[in-house]
Amino acid sequence: GENVEQHPSTLSVQEGDSAVIKCTYSDSASNYFPWYKQELGKRPQLIIDIRSNVGEKKDQRIAVTLNKTAKHFSLHITETQPEDSAVYFCAASKGNNDMRFGAGTRLTVKP
Amino acid sequence: EAQVTQNPRYLITVTGKKLTVTCSQNMNHEYMSWYRQDPGLGLRQIYYSMNVEVTDKGDVPEGYKVSRKEKRNFPLILESPSPNQTSLYFCASCPTGGPYEQYFGPGTRLTVT
Repeated sequence: GENVEQHPSTLSVQEGDSAVIKCTYSDSASNYFPWYKQELGKRPQLIIDIRSNVGEKKDQRIAVTLNKTAKHFSLHITETQPEDSAVYFCAASKGNNDMRFGAGTRLTVKP
Repeated sequence: EAQVTQNPRYLITVTGKKLTVTCSQNMNHEYMSWYRQDPGLGLRQIYYSMNVEVTDKGDVPEGYKVSRKEKRNFPLILESPSPNQTSLYFCASCPTGGPYEQYFGPGTRLTVT
């Protein structure tokens, strides 16, 4: 089955800096790659997703890039703010069945 | 208000005592799923359902049962809970038949002693 690895497990940046979180997946049939943000004590919330027919997608300060050949995708957050502090999860799916998540990255943005 | 609800939110029980965690969505979503979240392991899928009467195993289905008799409800059943099922459980739903743009419920923290 699909295996998703996520790095780093923790990331600390200064406010205003950029943050990058990377994920790799094992199943070349995977075609949907979402990113979720989970604040402390809250539920995961979808922040951005990308499908395999697209190489990059942006939404204001966040962007996701996908390299299908290398089977990896990344989340980029620019101009980080303290409210970006949370745990971020990547995931991969073949789109019609199961969803596999990475282990998560705890991002801390220091004021 | 569009939402996914779970009950109970917190539960402490003993080994072997059957329990059910309910999940309900009011968005007419086709796809529903259950996950457990454990420190350092992320979210692991237990079961999912692409539509009424259609369910399938996820990554960690052992010790769990589900049913999907109505579109809006997807209960998670632990017939004989064990301490290794102590975890934070999330239900999620999404509008299509696959796991796109999932909306998560608030979570159920289960402790099995």
